[in-house]
Amino acid sequence: AQRVTQPEKLLSVFKGAPVELKCNYSYSGSPELFWYVQYSRQRLQLLLRHISRESIKGFTADLNKGETSFHLKKPFAQEEDSAMYYCALGQLIFGQGTELSVKP
Amino acid sequence: NAGVTQTPKFQVLKTGQSMTLQCAQDMNHNSMYWYRQDPGMGLRLIYYSASEGTTDKGEVPNGYNVSRLNKREFSLRLESAAPSQTSVYFCASRLPNNEQFFGPGTRLTVL
Repeated sequence: AQRVTQPEKLLSVFKGAPVELKCNYSYSGSPELFWYVQYSRQRLQLLLRHISRESIKGFTADLNKGETSFHLKKPFAQEEDSAMYYCALGQLIFGQGTELSVKP
Repeated sequence: NAGVTQTPKFQVLKTGQSMTLQCAQDMNHNSMYWYRQDPGMGLRLIYYSASEGTTDKGEVPNGYNVSRLNKREFSLRLESAAPSQTSVYFCASRLPNNEQFFGPGTRLTVL
């Protein structure tokens, strides 16, 4: 069965600390993976997709097929990164979300 | 372009009442989706429509119906609202690169 797991409901770090939001997936074929972000009271918006292999707002994510993971990383967290982050598999499967809180 | 619009923004219902959540997109996308967002549960797909005239159930369709009225509009109906349907509802449409573009959400409370 297709599934996305984000093991952490809440991740709290201090400003300037590295951040890693975990995402593991279950899918038998070639996965298409996305990270979406939702800032407070705003709509969800795309942050990254694995195909593009780009860095957005300092975030990167690498697809590891061996570990079936697509973790989101940023070397130095900023307060404005505080938001809800969702990992998504294809069009239909979203993870439970991880709330990132960056403290000053 | 307004993108994806949803109405209403907020709604309070009593148990047993019915209502329709409206969603429209002006990007000429074929696929549209309805999700509900609950704390600790993430986003769960209620229904989706791959193209005009087709709809399919998602993970949590019970208690809901949908209509894909035309390419632009995809509505979600609650026939007899229950407190368990208190949630934030998001509509989305899909870009050709498979990215989903979300609406601003409807916050529904069922008393």
